[in-house]
Amino acid sequence: AQSVAQPEDQVNVAEGNPLTVKCTYSVSGNPYLFWYVQYPNRGLQFLLKYITGDNLVKGSYGFEAEFNKSQTSFHLKKPSALVSDSALYFCAVRDPILTGGGNKLTFGTGTQLKVEL
Amino acid sequence: EAQVTQNPRYLITVTGKKLTVTCSQNMNHEYMSWYRQDPGLGLRQIYYSMNVEVTDKGDVPEGYKVSRKEKRNFPLILESPSPNQTSLYFCASSRQGEAYEQYFGPGTRLTVT
Repeated sequence: AQSVAQPEDQVNVAEGNPLTVKCTYSVSGNPYLFWYVQYPNRGLQFLLKYITGDNLVKGSYGFEAEFNKSQTSFHLKKPSALVSDSALYFCAVRDPILTGGGNKLTFGTGTQLKVEL
Repeated sequence: EAQVTQNPRYLITVTGKKLTVTCSQNMNHEYMSWYRQDPGLGLRQIYYSMNVEVTDKGDVPEGYKVSRKEKRNFPLILESPSPNQTSLYFCASSRQGEAYEQYFGPGTRLTVT
């Protein structure tokens, strides 16, 4: 089985400060990990993914995430937050050894990021 | 422009009245999927399709049907909607293969009274 947890329902940060949105996962094999962002009244947009290789992955809008196998984590980070980053962020995992389900992703419950002036 | 479209975007209906939510993608993707989003539960997969005429159940398929007669279209059918199907629905598509990211439609907010 594959699962993912986002322990924080909401994260508040001041504009210009670094931000971190946490994600931990559970899979049988080596995971494929994704971050998506959802702006109000919009669908989910892909931010970045980890498949293999370098543990630090860079994505859209200045976001990056670090894969940590020993801690089973894939936290989303940005060095300097913008008010426009305020949105709902979802972490998702795919266990590639899981048979069936096609490209099935298992999503976390989401973390609302609020960036204030 | 590469995109996934859904219609309608908003729908209010009554219990038992059959409805269809359409989904179409213009990226020639093999894989398509339907999710529902509910507060505190994240996104849960309803049905998916790995290609034309190939569909299978996701985690919460009860009360839903799908079909995949053309590669670009993947409609979601509620034969007899009930209030517990009030939710925000997303269609997604991707290339076949676990490493590919999914592209999502704008969502359909359904209310069943």
